[in-house]
Amino acid sequence: KNQVEQSPQSLIILEGKNCTLQCNYTVSPFSNLRWYKQDTGRGPVSLTIMTFSENTKSNGRYTATLDADTKQSSLHITASQLSDSASYICVVSFRSSNTGKLIFGQGTTLQVKP
Amino acid sequence: DSGVTQTPKHLITATGQRVTLRCSPRSGDLSVYWYQQSLDQGLQFLIQYYNGEERAKGNILERFSAQQFPDLHSELNLSSLELGDSALYFCASSVAGPDRVFTGELFFGEGSRLTVL
Repeated sequence: KNQVEQSPQSLIILEGKNCTLQCNYTVSPFSNLRWYKQDTGRGPVSLTIMTFSENTKSNGRYTATLDADTKQSSLHITASQLSDSASYICVVSFRSSNTGKLIFGQGTTLQVKP
Repeated sequence: DSGVTQTPKHLITATGQRVTLRCSPRSGDLSVYWYQQSLDQGLQFLIQYYNGEERAKGNILERFSAQQFPDLHSELNLSSLELGDSALYFCASSVAGPDRVFTGELFFGEGSRLTVL
C-alpha cells in the first residue's frame, strides 16, 4: 500500500535551535518528493523537490535529504525563527505518464518559541 | 501569491444547506485538485479534474460534487451539509498533462473556510 508517514507529529523548539523532520514512504514507482510548508490557515507552499537521483538540496535555512534506497527523507531547519512555526508536509509523487498521483503525509507541526 | 483564487474565503451556513466553492487555477494550469482539511487534520484529497474531465477521485462523499468548466475554473458543491463538513477546503492547480512530466508541484489557493452551524 502506498503510504507516507511523518515524524514527529509535533515539535516544539526554541528560537535559534536546529531541528530535523522525518518522512518515510512506501510509494512506488517513485517519481519525486516535495516538502511543503503550511502556515496556519493558509495554503501549503512548496519548499523543495527531491528527485530519485538527488541526495541533498537546500533552500535557505531548509535542507532536504533523500535516501531512495531506504525510502526516507528529512527536512533540516537551521537556526530556527519564529516564522518557521508551521506545519511541514511531505508529499510523494508516483511516476506517471499521465497527470501524476500524489500521496500526502499527515504533516509535522513545528512550534518555535522565543 | 500562488495565482490560484478561491472564493468565498469564509462561509457560515446551517446544517442541511448547500454551498458552492469556486476556484480559478493559475493561468495555463489544466489540472485542478480539491482538498479538505478539518481542524488539526492533514489534507484529504477529494477530487481532481484535468481540462474539464474528472481524472481522479479520493475520499469524496456522495453529497459532494465538483466540475471544471471550459474556462478551467472549478466549483465544488457541498449539499445536505452536516456539522462534520466544517473545514478548510483548498483548491490547487498544476501544470499536468499527458505530454508533460509531472513534477508534483501543486499551487494552492488560500482556502475557503466553511463553518456549518
